[in-house]
Amino acid sequence: ETGVTQTPRHLVMGMTNKKSLKCEQHLGHNAMYWYKQSAKKPLELMFVYSLEERVENNSVPSRFSPECPNSSHLFLHLHTLQPEDSALYLCASSPRAQGEKLFFGSGTQLSVL
Amino acid sequence: KQEVTQIPAALSVPEGENLVLNCSFTDSAIYNLQWFRQDPGKGLTSLLLIQSSQREQTSGRLNASLDKSSGRSTLYIAASQPGDSATYLCAAYNTDKLIFGTGTRLQVFP
Repeated sequence: ETGVTQTPRHLVMGMTNKKSLKCEQHLGHNAMYWYKQSAKKPLELMFVYSLEERVENNSVPSRFSPECPNSSHLFLHLHTLQPEDSALYLCASSPRAQGEKLFFGSGTQLSVL
Repeated sequence: KQEVTQIPAALSVPEGENLVLNCSFTDSAIYNLQWFRQDPGKGLTSLLLIQSSQREQTSGRLNASLDKSSGRSTLYIAASQPGDSATYLCAAYNTDKLIFGTGTRLQVFP
């Protein structure tokens, strides 16, 4: 248990659906991240939030919409996804958004049909 | 642009062997180098973090070294056990981003 909890663990959705991924951290960290992990590719950073303010948007398509209502919660809203968006989506947190040790959740395995 | 490479991509060894996993990076201006472990279908667990000013870090049977001038880091696992079976990823922190390698998938058999 790393102190970072992601729900749901698995999600299957159609291309016209709208769904949300949730991440919660109980570590008192100020930075939270969304990463995408596709088969045989390195982890890709999607978004970084520091003190609830987005500080990084790594050229992610607008069909992915992050939300950080407070420093403990992070959401990733999904709409009109494509099959190639199927991947493991990982949330992480760190004390600050400056190269410190990352603590990851267990991820949401997303399948887009 | 930083690129991180890990060799080998997969490794299968008998229990008890000492192992070396390799990580290379193209831009030596890193802030730190981190090693993670990932079990199938799970998130990443941080193993070791080496600051750019350090040469190595140790935790139990794990030892990670860093040679910035040559753009290399190694993860040494002593007396491997079946429970060490997982994918090991290294990541280099540059400026404001952690860049990951594709990992080494390790299988330790009894």
